[in-house]
Amino acid sequence: GAVVSQHPSWVICKSGTSVKIECRSLDFQATTMFWYRQFPKQSLMLMATSNEGSKATYEQGVEKDKFLINHASLTLSTLTVTSAHPEDSSFYICSADGRQETQYFGPGTRLLVL
Amino acid sequence: LAKTTQPISMDSYEGQEVNITCSHNNIATNDYITWYQQFPSQGPRFIIQGYKTKVTNEVASLFIPADRKSSTLSLPRVSLSDTAVYYCLVGASSNTGKLIFGQGTTLQVKP
Repeated sequence: GAVVSQHPSWVICKSGTSVKIECRSLDFQATTMFWYRQFPKQSLMLMATSNEGSKATYEQGVEKDKFLINHASLTLSTLTVTSAHPEDSSFYICSADGRQETQYFGPGTRLLVL
Repeated sequence: LAKTTQPISMDSYEGQEVNITCSHNNIATNDYITWYQQFPSQGPRFIIQGYKTKVTNEVASLFIPADRKSSTLSLPRVSLSDTAVYYCLVGASSNTGKLIFGQGTTLQVKP
């Protein structure tokens, strides 16, 4: 139980294009999901909290107009990187809130912007 | 939000027991202590969680002293496949559910 999937697992795009990443909780409902970004050899950095049916809450320094988050249902949250640039290349990971402070993480999406 | 401090790296050999200690001096009353494991290019995986005393599951044990200001993850008889980064996290309840990752401990298991 408690499986979280992400799609796609990796994506390569040209600079200036937008990329959408999906995060799904497969066997449970998640009112809250989280998006992280991880650069090589670094820890996970929380980008935003995604709440079903309401606007996402972004961490300080994360541009909400660049990283659009939509949490339209209890099993799906999407992260859209708009007008992607090479510096947006990173490993994006989502998680879904479980019980007792446990989060269930997706496998991650590797984004490479050329 | 409780800040955690862990060793940056540890080395071990196959078959040994590995203990990774995490300090969290300002842990709040309602906070749980949760450990995750992460392999390269994968999302973190839940290992174990505890509130106080000792917790054991099929992969690890978690020791928490009475003051809860630290915790120790114990991995019995590690193998090469246990080479990973281990994160200690505290304080989601007192931070609207958010987990703030520290640097973690990179465990290198050698043959």
